[in-house]
Amino acid sequence: EAGVAQSPRYKIIEKRQSVAFWCNPISGHATLYWYQQILGQGPKLLIQFQNNGVVDDSQLPKDRFSAERLKGVDSTLKIQPAKLEDSAVYLCASSLELSYNSPLHFGNGTRLTVT
Amino acid sequence: GEDVEQSLFLSVREGDSSVINCTYTDSSSTYLYWYKQEPGAGLQLLTYIFSNMDMKQDQRLTVLLNKKDKHLSLRIADTQTGDSAIYFCAQRGSGGYNKLIFGAGTRLAVHP
Repeated sequence: EAGVAQSPRYKIIEKRQSVAFWCNPISGHATLYWYQQILGQGPKLLIQFQNNGVVDDSQLPKDRFSAERLKGVDSTLKIQPAKLEDSAVYLCASSLELSYNSPLHFGNGTRLTVT
Repeated sequence: GEDVEQSLFLSVREGDSSVINCTYTDSSSTYLYWYKQEPGAGLQLLTYIFSNMDMKQDQRLTVLLNKKDKHLSLRIADTQTGDSAIYFCAQRGSGGYNKLIFGAGTRLAVHP
C-alpha cells in the first residue's frame, strides 16, 4: 500500500511570511495527525483529525497555526506569520481508526527553515 | 504530567547487542511503542507492547516492560550498521484519542 505522502520536502522562508504543508494519508485511514519535531526532540502532537473533525488541537498555537481536512482525506497545515522558533520538521501521520491498537504510519515530513 | 525520558546516545560494535532504555510517567498507558527514524525519513513503527505483558520478542528485537518502575527497554540482537538510527520510545497520552507522547530519542551508532 502507498504510504503517507507529504509535500514539499523542504521549505525555507523568512520570518513573518506564511507557509502551507500538504498531507495525503493512507487510503482508508480515518485519523490524521500533524506532529512538530524540533531538532534534537521527539515529535509533539499539534492537531488530530477524525475524518474531517478535530478531536485534539490543545497543543496547536492557534494565533498562527491552522489546519483543515475538508473532505476527510487530504489535510493542509498553515503557519501565518512564521517565527524563527517554528523551524522544525512537520510530520503527518495517519491511522485506520482512533482505537488504541491502531498504529500510526508517518510520512517523511516537511523540513521548515525560518530565517 | 506526561513525560518520556531516554538516554540520548548509544554506541555499539557491529554484531554486539544494543539495549535502549526508556522511562515513562503515565502508569495507565495501555500500549508502549518503539519507533525508528533514519536520516531524512519519517518514523517507522518497530514494535509495541501491551501493558499486561512483561516481554515481547520479534526476530532480533526484544522489548522488556517493568511496570513497577515504569521502565521500557529495547534490545537489538546482532546489531548491524543498518540499525544506525534514532530510536523513539512512545506512550499513549491520557484522554484517549490514540495520542502518542514521544521521548527525545536515542541515537544509535553502530561501528565496525
